[in-house]
Amino acid sequence: QVQLQESGPGLVKPSQTLSLTCTVSGDSISSDSCYWSWLRQPAGKGLEWIGRIYTSGSTNYNPSLKSRVTISVDTSKNQFSLNLSSVTAADTAVYYCAREARGPSVAGTGYFYYYMDVWGKGTTVTVSS
Amino acid sequence: DIQMTQSPSSLSASVGDRVTITCRASQSIRSYLHWYQQRPGKAPKLLIYAASSLQSGVPSRFSGSGSGTDFTLTISSLQPEDFATYYCQQSYSTPRTFGQGTKVEIK
Repeated sequence: QVQLQESGPGLVKPSQTLSLTCTVSGDSISSDSCYWSWLRQPAGKGLEWIGRIYTSGSTNYNPSLKSRVTISVDTSKNQFSLNLSSVTAADTAVYYCAREARGPSVAGTGYFYYYMDVWGKGTTVTVSS
Repeated sequence: DIQMTQSPSSLSASVGDRVTITCRASQSIRSYLHWYQQRPGKAPKLLIYAASSLQSGVPSRFSGSGSGTDFTLTISSLQPEDFATYYCQQSYSTPRTFGQGTKVEIK
């Protein structure tokens, strides 16, 4: 059974860097059939995709956050991490890590469906002095 | 970015009702559309992937349809545990984007 667990400080001061780690169990972060993603959800609001990383280290980021985001992977610890710099109160949210798994192929294309099939429980991060 | 728009934003329904939620993409996303359920204080849970495929372990009262820009999530007979918020999400391109959510409440 695959499980993801977020960890990190629950309180970060404005202008500082938010750092979170997601520990993966039951699957190898070196798998070539999935991406490892970060998302967030402000209280009472919808889901925002932050970005993802592949085992090779290749990343994709949300352009709205790209200048402040770094996602990295540590295969020796089966973990991946999120750094978000220069935080403000607008970055206060529940942060989730998720596995974006490769599903069936799309008929006639050679491409695959990818969807977030396993999520961590989420961790609340508050930005406040 | 591909914009995802859900309707309605909220609805009230009774146990046993048939419920339909729609999701519209700002451009064609073929069938790269997935549905999630989120109960209060919990992480989202994958219900439907590739527009119409039921995720393992999800009750068969959930179904999805559509392709291109218009999609539907249907709950055939609403159960007490189905009162939650539902999100659609596209994986046609990055950044991945979600609908704003549809909250299903008890009538």
